[in-house]
Amino acid sequence: DVKVTQSSRYLVKRTGEKVFLECVQDMDHENMFWYRQDPGLGLRLIYFSYDVKMKEKGDIPEGYSVSREKKERFSLILESASTNQTSMYLCASSLFGRGGTEAFFGQGTRLTVV
Amino acid sequence: DQQVKQNSPSLSVQEGRISILNCDYTNSMFDYFLWYKKYPAEGPTFLISISSIKDKNEDGRFTVFLNKSAKHLSLHIVPSQPGDSAVYFCAASDPGAGSYQLTFGKGTKLSVIP
Repeated sequence: DVKVTQSSRYLVKRTGEKVFLECVQDMDHENMFWYRQDPGLGLRLIYFSYDVKMKEKGDIPEGYSVSREKKERFSLILESASTNQTSMYLCASSLFGRGGTEAFFGQGTRLTVV
Repeated sequence: DQQVKQNSPSLSVQEGRISILNCDYTNSMFDYFLWYKKYPAEGPTFLISISSIKDKNEDGRFTVFLNKSAKHLSLHIVPSQPGDSAVYFCAASDPGAGSYQLTFGKGTKLSVIP
């Protein structure tokens, strides 16, 4: 059974803190993604990675960075958390390949920045 | 600029009737389309997909229709059940863009009334 696991379901952090969100997948997928979901805005792509140590900016990368040192792990880093980064964060992974492939999502991390 | 649009934020349907969720896209390079279902405080789960070489794909109670000339797809759920109440996201992929990300719509909240 496919599995994408995010390290925390709920997090509360203070403004200015450095925040790490971790994601691990056990499907040997090449591609990994970080999205955030906000009411009325849907899912917006922050960063993605198609290989170890590779990363690409998505639609809203400002204020975030990522790290992919191992194939199965993709970390999202909020360098200095701000209240407008309060959101649901979703990690996903998918197989490399043309022709279309579905992405599998983790359970999400609800981050509140106070 | 929104490339995938779900113009109905919400939809209410009586149990047993048909639910029709709509999605429009603007990027003619999209060639793979997916529907995801999301419950509150959980990650999205894949529901059904369709390649641009097809105009219909069916899986149990779920059918996706694709009209390429109109750049429109729809998800039909028949018969609708209370457990189908969730937010449904339409997503599209353009493998030719050199990335493997999915572009999501803003979602439609479906409520199935018992």
